[in-house]
Amino acid sequence: NAGVTQTPKFRVLKTGQSMTLLCAQDMNHEYMYWYRQDPGMGLRLIHYSVGEGTTAKGEVPDGYNVSRLKKQNFLLGLESAAPSQTSVYFCASAFGGGFYEQYFGPGTRLTVT
Amino acid sequence: DAKTTQPPSMDCAEGRAANLPCNHSTISGNEYVYWYRQIHSQGPQYIIHGLKNNETNEMASLIITEDRKSSTLILPHATLRDTAVYYCIVRGNTDKLIFGTGTRLQVFP
Repeated sequence: NAGVTQTPKFRVLKTGQSMTLLCAQDMNHEYMYWYRQDPGMGLRLIHYSVGEGTTAKGEVPDGYNVSRLKKQNFLLGLESAAPSQTSVYFCASAFGGGFYEQYFGPGTRLTVT
Repeated sequence: DAKTTQPPSMDCAEGRAANLPCNHSTISGNEYVYWYRQIHSQGPQYIIHGLKNNETNEMASLIITEDRKSSTLILPHATLRDTAVYYCIVRGNTDKLIFGTGTRLQVFP
């Protein structure tokens, strides 16, 4: 099993450009999450999904959109990138909510100039 | 979910036990204590969790005080590869993990 994979690993955007980050998991997990991590800080939840076709807002959802069209994939979109969105983005998945542990991907390092 | 307090950094000699403390004085009865770690900007990795009894797995032990207001993660024989940021998270029956800033553990030779 590959676990949780993220594409791309690195990206540089100019302000105002758009892009989509892809998260894929092969563990048949129902729940998927997108986090961002800024330097010296813990992870903050952007959006999450409790199953195919569902999405919900986390702590810092503004400026991002998500879609979960297939159970194994969770997409994070930036419609108009801003320098404040420069961060490392982590995807995670879990068998369920509540007390199930989350499995994290390797991260995507995004720089917006 | 209850908030946690951890020291920002700790050192440990290789081969010795690393004891990482966490305070969670506002924890409620149905909330678990979780530990994750993050090695050099990789994705966080689950270590262990517990409710009120002490727990042990192949990675670590978790000691929770009787009043549940604090806990200690123990890495019994720390190695250089255990150098990481360790996050203590208190979590109820919710869909979310709330990360703080964690403890940066440096294991030295």
